[in-house]
Amino acid sequence: GGIITQTPKFLIGQEGQKLTLKCQQNFNHDTMYWYRQDSGKGLRLIYYSITENDLQKGDLSEGYDASREKKSSFSLTVTSAQKNEMAVFLCASSIELGASAETLYFGSGTRLTVL
Amino acid sequence: AQSVTQPDARVTVSEGASLQLRCKYSYSGTPYLFWYVQYPRQGLQLLLKYYSGDPVVQGVNGFEAEFIKSNSSFHLRKASVHWSDSAVYFCAVSAGYQNFYFGKGTSLTVIP
Repeated sequence: GGIITQTPKFLIGQEGQKLTLKCQQNFNHDTMYWYRQDSGKGLRLIYYSITENDLQKGDLSEGYDASREKKSSFSLTVTSAQKNEMAVFLCASSIELGASAETLYFGSGTRLTVL
Repeated sequence: AQSVTQPDARVTVSEGASLQLRCKYSYSGTPYLFWYVQYPRQGLQLLLKYYSGDPVVQGVNGFEAEFIKSNSSFHLRKASVHWSDSAVYFCAVSAGYQNFYFGKGTSLTVIP
């Protein structure tokens, strides 16, 4: 089995600050994702990457940058944190490119609070 | 456009009772359907998935779901719930190429 490790688990930032979230997976999966989870809103896709150095925007990419320098890692940057923002950011991976029925494997999340 | 609707934000049942969590989807093609569970302070874990064949699919921990194409539904069921089933349950549809659409989730509380 494998695991997805997200760091940090908790992140507190100031308004306007640039914040970076990291994700590592040892499944050797090709595709990785960043989702944002807000209470009562489900999961919304921010970015995904089908291989290293590839980046694809999701529905919620504005205000975020992403980087996939290695197959095993995928980082997300909040370019300018918004005051009173609270959300959980979930990293996920899947084994195959473009396979609709593939399972997503999730990390336990990074909880962001902006003061 | 693809979408997933989970009409019940919160469900409370007694331990040992049966359970049904509702999910309806909107998708023009052949859907790939999933149920995920999220325990507190954890990421989502797959319960079961459907993409063809028998419309009743079995998952982990005694969960099952039935795909009803005519009703665009994929409800999750369990015959007898345990207090440890308390969690948030998400229904999802995949539109291909990593486009997963998640419902807003149903928070299940099982009363001992």
